[in-house]
Amino acid sequence: AQSVAQPEDQVNVAEGNPLTVKCTYSVSGNPYLFWYVQYPNRGLQFLLKYITGDNLVKGSYGFEAEFNKSQTSFHLKKPSALVSDSALYFCAVRDITAGSYQLTFGKGTKLSVIP
Amino acid sequence: DAMVIQNPRYQVTQFGKPVTLSCSQTLNHNVMYWYQQKSSQAPKLLFHYYDKDFNNEADTPDNFQSRRPNTSFCFLDIRSPGLGDAAMYLCATSRTVHQETQYFGPGTRLLVL
Repeated sequence: AQSVAQPEDQVNVAEGNPLTVKCTYSVSGNPYLFWYVQYPNRGLQFLLKYITGDNLVKGSYGFEAEFNKSQTSFHLKKPSALVSDSALYFCAVRDITAGSYQLTFGKGTKLSVIP
Repeated sequence: DAMVIQNPRYQVTQFGKPVTLSCSQTLNHNVMYWYQQKSSQAPKLLFHYYDKDFNNEADTPDNFQSRRPNTSFCFLDIRSPGLGDAAMYLCATSRTVHQETQYFGPGTRLLVL
């Protein structure tokens, strides 16, 4: 079975400071990993994904994430937070080795960027 | 612009009264998904279509059905909505089911009175 954990329900960061939103995963095979962002009353927007290759993945709006196989983590980062980054962030995993088509989401982390 | 469209954005229905939510896409993707997202929770996959092949999740209640009359459209039918079915319903598409990214619509928020 595949699962995702986002250990923090909420992250607060001052505008201009670096931000990190944590994600760890569990799969029996090789993971495909995704980050999505959700603004209030809106659908999920794709930010970035890791499939294979370079462990550091760059995505939309200046976000990046680092795949760490030994720690089974895929933390989302941004060097300088903006107030407009305030939203709900979801990490998701698919176990491609197991042939799984299902995308399993974490519970989400609410990011608040304080002016 | 190519996109995933959901109508209506807000839907109010009465307890037990059938309701249909619609999703359309201009991406020409093979796969369409329906998710249920309750407040402060992760989206939960209900079912998906790969072309005309329907795949139901094991724990999706029988109250939820889906139709995909063509590539562009997919419908979610709730036969007898209960209060517990109030949620945001998200439609998503992907080109295939494997490494492809899923693209989401804006969602339909369902309120059951």
